[in-house]
Amino acid sequence: ILNVEQSPQSLHVQEGDSTNFTCSFPSSNFYALHWYRWETAKSPEALFVMTLNGDEKKKGRISATLNTKEGYSYLYIKGSQPEDSATYLCAFMNYGGSQGNLIFGKGTKLSVKP
Amino acid sequence: ETGVTQSPTHLIKTRGQQVTLRCSSQSGHNTVSWYQQALGQGPQFIFQYYREEENGRGNFPPRFSGLQFPNYSSELNVNALELDDSALYLCASSSDRATNEKLFFGSGTQLSVL
Repeated sequence: ILNVEQSPQSLHVQEGDSTNFTCSFPSSNFYALHWYRWETAKSPEALFVMTLNGDEKKKGRISATLNTKEGYSYLYIKGSQPEDSATYLCAFMNYGGSQGNLIFGKGTKLSVKP
Repeated sequence: ETGVTQSPTHLIKTRGQQVTLRCSSQSGHNTVSWYQQALGQGPQFIFQYYREEENGRGNFPPRFSGLQFPNYSSELNVNALELDDSALYLCASSSDRATNEKLFFGSGTQLSVL
């Protein structure tokens, strides 16, 4: 059974702190890794789709790295703001999986205090 | 917010009943995926539809079925509801079936089975 693990489960930081979370996934037959941001009562919103080992992507204060050989991705938020409060989900797909089958982790819930 | 809309937002059914959930894709998207998120879990892939055909399926029994219409909107049908079917059901559309494409999610239908 393929499993995606995210850590920590939850995180409380002060405004201005920088923070990072981890997503671990099986390293064999890697195809793609997605990151989504999900605010309460809203829709999950795509942040990044990463496909190449060593990929680094950036969107404003948020960036992500990918290591497919060891099976992990980091998401970094620089200078956290209260509006960054959300659950951050990662999702993995391998070759040979059912078409469209993204395997999601349980998410990291971030709370940023003003 | 994305252009993906789901209806209804909340639904209460009793065990053994049947339910139909609806999803309207973002304009220009031909692929729809459905996910089930049980409490405390990450979203779990149910199936994907591409140009009106089922294109991939997760580990869900046949009583979970779907349709995609010529305008690419979609339905998820669940027969013989069980208590464990209580969950948030998310629909996501994308511009292609490839899993390196970002998913655009709706805000979900919360189904409670009593």
